[in-house]
Amino acid sequence: KAGVTQTPRYLIKTRGQQVTLSCSPISGHRSVSWYQQTPGQGLQFLFEYFSETQRNKGNFPGRFSGRQFSNSRSEMNVSTLELGDSALYLCASKWAQQETQYFGPGTRLLVL
Amino acid sequence: KNQVEQSPQSLIILEGKNCTLQCNYTVSPFSNLRWYKQDTGRGPVSLTIMTFSENTKSNGRYTATLDADTKQSSLHITASQLSDSASYICVVSAETSYDKVIFGPGTSLSVIP
Repeated sequence: KAGVTQTPRYLIKTRGQQVTLSCSPISGHRSVSWYQQTPGQGLQFLFEYFSETQRNKGNFPGRFSGRQFSNSRSEMNVSTLELGDSALYLCASKWAQQETQYFGPGTRLLVL
Repeated sequence: KNQVEQSPQSLIILEGKNCTLQCNYTVSPFSNLRWYKQDTGRGPVSLTIMTFSENTKSNGRYTATLDADTKQSSLHITASQLSDSASYICVVSAETSYDKVIFGPGTSLSVIP
């Protein structure tokens, strides 16, 4: 079974631009979660989608949004990028609640 | 407040030596605790998962323990190898309707020859 894939792997943007990141979960997994990871902050939860519905949301501004498609693939969008948005964005999928999450390799975003 | 703390923040050990990483949590109601290993620039990978009734769980040279009474867990690494150099993250799940997951800040382990 293929693992969680994320595209692109690396991205450079400038302040004010917007960005869309993509995540393809493991086949059969309907839950997809997104995390932001910065040095010293650890993993910060962004949101979780299950069967195309946002099930849970972290404490991030409205500039961060996401969606999930019928095939469970998910996208995350960040509008009006700020320097502080530079981070590793990780996507994780799982089959059901309380099950182990499987993480993708992440997308490293650099905002200049 | 649901929280997960880890110690030490970072650790350097010689190849072949053992080490123990600590995790304290204040998550309620407790569902399970996982240890993840994250290599630099990569996504975390699950090492062990323990529920309330489990005290010990092993995965090769990794052994995790859980004391649900004191809300503490440890990850013991035996005969460390250079490839063990990574960040180790303790993750606690709360038994809620939406499966709340709380991540610890991680312990950065460096194994040197």
